[in-house]
Amino acid sequence: GQQVMQIPQYQHVQEGEDFTTYCNSSTTLSNIQWYKQRPGGHPVFLIQLVKSGEVKKQKRLTFQFGEAKKNSSLHITATQTTDVGTYFCAGLTGTASKLTFGTGTRLQVTL
Amino acid sequence: KAGVTQTPRYLIKTRGQQVTLSCSPISGHRSVSWYQQTPGQGLQFLFEYFSETQRNKGNFPGRFSGRQFSNSRSEMNVSTLELGDSALYLCASAGTGYSPLHFGNGTRLTVT
Repeated sequence: GQQVMQIPQYQHVQEGEDFTTYCNSSTTLSNIQWYKQRPGGHPVFLIQLVKSGEVKKQKRLTFQFGEAKKNSSLHITATQTTDVGTYFCAGLTGTASKLTFGTGTRLQVTL
Repeated sequence: KAGVTQTPRYLIKTRGQQVTLSCSPISGHRSVSWYQQTPGQGLQFLFEYFSETQRNKGNFPGRFSGRQFSNSRSEMNVSTLELGDSALYLCASAGTGYSPLHFGNGTRLTVT
């Protein structure tokens, strides 16, 4: 079955440092979504990427969808303590109409 | 617009019992998905319902079942509970199966 892996599993950075999480799918995706889950909370939708090679920005967050539509990345510039949480990618395969979540990357930011 | 509502928020059950969890989606959303979240396994897909029909199913045993009503509300049932079923169960709704998911706060189930 489809698998979606994320690396790293965990990253601890100091406030102001950059952070990147990578998402890799075993199959080609029709789109990819990113979610953020704060500690004790539920996943919250951040963005959706559909086109091959697409890049989208949300303030300090930059999202990329690979050319082959099998990988994606989320980059945070100058992290803040409010960025703490677990970031999940979720890939959709066109025929299955099923969203498969990645393993998640937990980000810890300290002052 | 009200968000996704899950009840109850917390449940404590004993091994062998069964449990029913409820989810009310955002008004107008016809797709409801269920996920199990545990520290070691991340977010595992259980099933998705769309217009009262199960459209997709994850790799969970038959003890896990669900249904969706005509008003899009959904229930999930777990029979013969096992200790390993202890988890946060998240429900998410979407306008269609391809739309971004809107999650509820979840039901935390503890099996003793």
